[in-house]
Amino acid sequence: GQNIDQPTEMTATEGAIVQINCTYQTSGFNGLFWYQQHAGEAPTFLSYNVLDGLEEKGRFSSFLSRSKGYSYLLLKELQMKDSASYLCAVRVYGGATNKLIFGTGTLLAVQP
Amino acid sequence: ETGVTQTPRHLVMGMTNKKSLKCEQHLGHNAMYWYKQSAKKPLELMFVYNFKEQTENNSVPSRFSPECPNSSHLFLHLHTLQPEDSALYLCASSQEYRGLVETQYFGPGTRLLVL
Repeated sequence: GQNIDQPTEMTATEGAIVQINCTYQTSGFNGLFWYQQHAGEAPTFLSYNVLDGLEEKGRFSSFLSRSKGYSYLLLKELQMKDSASYLCAVRVYGGATNKLIFGTGTLLAVQP
Repeated sequence: ETGVTQTPRHLVMGMTNKKSLKCEQHLGHNAMYWYKQSAKKPLELMFVYNFKEQTENNSVPSRFSPECPNSSHLFLHLHTLQPEDSALYLCASSQEYRGLVETQYFGPGTRLLVL
């Protein structure tokens, strides 16, 4: 089966750093994606990891350990606009094409 | 603006109605997807189209009927839906090459309420 786990909710303070964890057990692995979704809006792509290690992109970084089935998204210098749901998704081989398996998302609330 | 548009943004329908959701992508992609997003649940993949051919039907009930007339347009035809079908329906597109799917770009979704 396919299983992706991430915390349901997190709270952090403006200006601080927050780490959102994601663990996965999937049949086949071909990359891990993080998406941000504000309420009532489309999920937007944040980052992609296929090799172990850290990928940095401005205030956002994403880490992957394939042997541990583990990833995290690190958000630095939090801003109020970072309040959103963060979706972890694993790309797996499936049928005629690869497909994304999503976690339930982590709802992050940034407080003043 | 992600380059993927969906209409309508909101839809209320009775269980005996027939309606259609529309998705259009302006990114030149060759793969399009329908997802269902319910509260407290992961995004669920419903259908995948590659080069206008359906390559994935994730055990979706027949009351949902997809149509892909060309690589830029995707429809989801709805008929005799149930209240539990109320959800956010998201369309996405991506470029696929030799089975490797690139980043998916999502539309804003259609919020569907079935009464």
